[in-house]
Amino acid sequence: DQQVKQNSPSLSVQEGRISILNCDYTNSMFDYFLWYKKYPAEGPTFLISISSIKDKNEDGRFTVFLNKSAKHLSLHIVPSQPGDSAVYFCAASGNTGNQFYFGTGTSLTVIP
Amino acid sequence: EAQVTQNPRYLITVTGKKLTVTCSQNMNHEYMSWYRQDPGLGLRQIYYSMNVEVTDKGDVPEGYKVSRKEKRNFPLILESPSPNQTSLYFCASSLRDAYNEQFFGPGTRLTVL
Repeated sequence: DQQVKQNSPSLSVQEGRISILNCDYTNSMFDYFLWYKKYPAEGPTFLISISSIKDKNEDGRFTVFLNKSAKHLSLHIVPSQPGDSAVYFCAASGNTGNQFYFGTGTSLTVIP
Repeated sequence: EAQVTQNPRYLITVTGKKLTVTCSQNMNHEYMSWYRQDPGLGLRQIYYSMNVEVTDKGDVPEGYKVSRKEKRNFPLILESPSPNQTSLYFCASSLRDAYNEQFFGPGTRLTVL
């Protein structure tokens, strides 16, 4: 049973516009959330994280929003650049032992 | 350079032939983990280790073994591989636990015929 879900397998955005990637989770015990970016033939690389005591965390062009009541988080990329084209995974952990749970990924294409 | 290394990067084998995929990190991390990535299923955790001699099952541990005899190494062992273990495998490490970001290796593409 998938505890972390990314319902959009793919997303296309024009360069310079905002990219919004969504993630839902089912386990209310999760209290730490992360986003990873993955290029083909490479391992995932960490992008940004957020603890459940916050509802927003920013790092440059990347902002993660957490809505605990809706069990939903989103990653905003502004402005989107062609180099952002990759597969993005959200992940959750914490208070559930020391396991990480990943979503199925969203493939982002930024069109020049 | 801080990194997680995996070997081999590509492996084709036959059903039942025991194999080991090695994983090593040079960041003195306590937490190490193995994942498999399959189309439509994302990354699923196989096993993780909080420290030397401490290992625990993830979501999909069946058919796999691990050991953590040294802090830097965390090999994944398939005693009797089957075709349903054909997958892309990633090793990862983090400083201490599941509240730290993980650093991933480059992946091992395994095909079991």
